Amino acid sequence: GQQLNQSPQSMFIQEGEDVSMNCTSSSIFNTWLWYKQDPGEGPVLLIALYKAGELTSNGRLTAQFGITRKDSFLNISASIPSDVGIYFCAGPQDRGSTLGRLYFGRGTQLTVWP
Amino acid sequence: NAGVTQTPKFQVLKTGQSMTLQCAQDMNHNSMYWYRQDPGMGLRLIYYSASEGTTDKGEVPNGYNVSRLNKREFSLRLESAAPSQTSVYFCASRAQLVEKLFFGSGTQLSVL
Repeated sequence: GQQLNQSPQSMFIQEGEDVSMNCTSSSIFNTWLWYKQDPGEGPVLLIALYKAGELTSNGRLTAQFGITRKDSFLNISASIPSDVGIYFCAGPQDRGSTLGRLYFGRGTQLTVWP
Repeated sequence: NAGVTQTPKFQVLKTGQSMTLQCAQDMNHNSMYWYRQDPGMGLRLIYYSASEGTTDKGEVPNGYNVSRLNKREFSLRLESAAPSQTSVYFCASRAQLVEKLFFGSGTQLSVL
């Protein structure tokens, strides 16, 4: 199956710092999704990207769909304690497929120190 | 709206015991999924149901069975639990032709 390589595995930052993480694939994806998982909860969708080169923001979060369609980036500006959690990238097996199987990266664990 | 509801939240089993994890969604979604999450492994697909009446294996189906009881409910059964099945289990659903998955809050399962 598809393999999504997500990095870094973990990050320890101070409140107020900016964060960058990325996800790469050996195959082309037509959609990239970024999820956040709070401790003890299920993942929640943050941003969805549908076109190569697309740059989309959601508050302090900005995600980009790489031009090659094999990568995506997530940036968090001015981090705050509630940004703590695991961030996952994900991509579907086939865009619009009724199967809808998503491949997930292994996640980036973010810790924010006050 | 409750979204995706999973029960139980926590469960401890002895090796060889059986149990069923329940999942229900109230969003009228066609497709439902069961994932397991292990430290450093991300989310791995166990089984999915593209629509009512159909089920298919995912990446790690061994040791599990599923039932799509109706459009709302999708259960995951462990017939004979093993310590390797200690994990956090997530149910998810999505609407047809939309990639976004909506997740439940998870079931923490420990098999001793």
